[in-house]
Amino acid sequence: SQTIHQWPATLVQPVGSPLSLECTVEGTSNPNLYWYRQAAGRGLQLLFYSVGIGQISSEVPQNLSASRPQDRQFILSSKKLLLSDSGFYLCAWRPSGQSNQPQHFGDGTRLSIL
Amino acid sequence: AQSVSQHNHHVILSEAASLELGCNYSYGGTVNLFWYVQYPGQHLQLLLKYFSGDPLVKGIKGFEAEFIKSKFSFNLRKPSVQWSDTAEYFCAVQGAWGRRALTFGSGTRLQVQP
Repeated sequence: SQTIHQWPATLVQPVGSPLSLECTVEGTSNPNLYWYRQAAGRGLQLLFYSVGIGQISSEVPQNLSASRPQDRQFILSSKKLLLSDSGFYLCAWRPSGQSNQPQHFGDGTRLSIL
Repeated sequence: AQSVSQHNHHVILSEAASLELGCNYSYGGTVNLFWYVQYPGQHLQLLLKYFSGDPLVKGIKGFEAEFIKSKFSFNLRKPSVQWSDTAEYFCAVQGAWGRRALTFGSGTRLQVQP
């Protein structure tokens, strides 16, 4: 069966520090991968999506970047965190090439910027 | 651009009361519709989905939702809630083509009192 792993679960970082959040999927190949952010009191907002290795699409301008160095690995990064980067970050995957399949979410990372 | 509105931000019910959570979306094309639930301390889980066919869809744990195309709505219902239904509920829309990322509503926090 397919599983998605996201870590760390909780992270506290100072302003200006770098960030790396990792997400991996097991049990499937060539998935579509997504990074979402949920800010306090708001819904989930799509940040990035990827349909293949090295293929990243950004949905909103921001201080973050994403990379997909391997088929089932999706990384969210920042060189210098801002206070506004605080939030709950969720990675998700869905099978590619299948029209009607829901997305499956990881457990999320709660990021607090001090 | 897609958007999703969830009208109720916080709902408090007693056990055995009936539940209806509103969801309206804006999208100029064919959509897939979802309700996700996030129980306290747990990851986001799929509650039910609509792709096509019968507009009344049934999900897990006795939940159902009705897609009314003319009203751009996909309201979630349950005839009799339980304390264990306490959670945050998210409505989401997915374009039937393209990147298939989800656009989420801001969520509704449901609190069921015993």
